[in-house]
Amino acid sequence: ETGVTQTPRHLVMGMTNKKSLKCEQHLGHNAMYWYKQSAKKPLELMFVYSLEERVENNSVPSRFSPECPNSSHLFLHLHTLQPEDSALYLCASSRALTGGNQPQHFGDGTRLSIL
Amino acid sequence: GEDVEQSLFLSVREGDSSVINCTYTDSSSTYLYWYKQEPGAGLQLLTYIFSNMDMKQDQRLTVLLNKKDKHLSLRIADTQTGDSAIYFCAERDPFESGYNKLIFGAGTRLAVHP
Repeated sequence: ETGVTQTPRHLVMGMTNKKSLKCEQHLGHNAMYWYKQSAKKPLELMFVYSLEERVENNSVPSRFSPECPNSSHLFLHLHTLQPEDSALYLCASSRALTGGNQPQHFGDGTRLSIL
Repeated sequence: GEDVEQSLFLSVREGDSSVINCTYTDSSSTYLYWYKQEPGAGLQLLTYIFSNMDMKQDQRLTVLLNKKDKHLSLRIADTQTGDSAIYFCAERDPFESGYNKLIFGAGTRLAVHP
């Protein structure tokens, strides 16, 4: 139990569907992150939020839309995805964005398959 | 630019020591981390080292840092089958991005055989 919970664990969707990934952290952290993990590629940072404010958007296509309603919850809304978007999507959180040692704690991810 | 490199695969016999190596390029890195990823799971933080340290030991894990050569290693003593996983090295880059951005290596797959 890492304190970061992601749902669903597995998602299969067609290219025209709309779905959302959810992440919830129970660690009292103020920063949250979305990563994409594809086979044989390094971890890709997608979005960073600090106190519900987006800090970074790493040139992610607009078919991925993040939402952070409060510091404990993070969503990734998916719309009109492509087959190359099939991957493991990982959520992470850290105590803060700056200052001292700020390790990121990860959830178990959502395995997304696009048909 | 930032780059973290790891060898992709390591095979060891159960009971032996495993040494997973990592090199990084950003000399301003302050913290370096090791994460473990088991099949079907996310990344689990194993340990970290601050850049003013040479070594850190935590039970079966020993982290060695050679700052001059920008080389980091993770030694696992008495490796068990439960240690089979992918191990990621990550450096914290606080300067280029202005915040706690982690740069990850591609991961080393550790296979433990009897």
